[in-house]
Amino acid sequence: NAGVMQNPRHLVRRRGQEARLRCSPMKGHSHVYWYRQLPEEGLKFMVYLQKENIIDESGMPKERFSAEFPKEGPSILRIQQVVRGDSAAYFCASSLPASDTQYFGPGTRLTVL
Amino acid sequence: AQSVTQPDIHITVSEGASLELRCNYSYGATPYLFWYVQSPGQGLQLLLKYFSGDTLVQGIKGFEAEFKRSQSSFNLRKPSVHWSDAAEYFCAVGANTGNQFYFGTGTSLTVIP
Repeated sequence: NAGVMQNPRHLVRRRGQEARLRCSPMKGHSHVYWYRQLPEEGLKFMVYLQKENIIDESGMPKERFSAEFPKEGPSILRIQQVVRGDSAAYFCASSLPASDTQYFGPGTRLTVL
Repeated sequence: AQSVTQPDIHITVSEGASLELRCNYSYGATPYLFWYVQSPGQGLQLLLKYFSGDTLVQGIKGFEAEFKRSQSSFNLRKPSVHWSDAAEYFCAVGANTGNQFYFGTGTSLTVIP
């Protein structure tokens, strides 16, 4: 059973470009969470999704950030018009329905030049 | 407000010595507590978790943690540290199904020969 997959592992963008980060949850997991880790800091919650639904986006910046988890395919975290402050590691986690344990992917390290 | 505090930013121990990493939490409901380990450039691996029952929980790689409600603590311990244990350790608190996790800022462990 493969773990949580994230791609790309590393992403470099110039200011103003768009970044798309993908997350494929573990098999059978229908809940996905996105976290951001800034340098020297812990992980900060961004958004919690179930298939085709955003359940909790209280940690998402109000502008430029969006997330989706379609019926088919991976979850996508999209950052429009990236700025240098968006440089961070973005982690995806997944869980089973009615489960309290989240399993994390290897992360996508975004660098904005 | 929910929060997790890891008071020790960096700890250095000799190989074979015992280890204790501190974690204090503030949570409004009954907490679910987790310890994750992150090796450089990698994702987070679950070491152990506590939901209820025996307050001393065993995890992988010889780690254990003890939940002390009166002290709002969930400290991680290992009797004898191995060089491969050098990594970043994160304590996290969550609630029941589908809630976000709150992470501490992490403790970086260095193991010296």
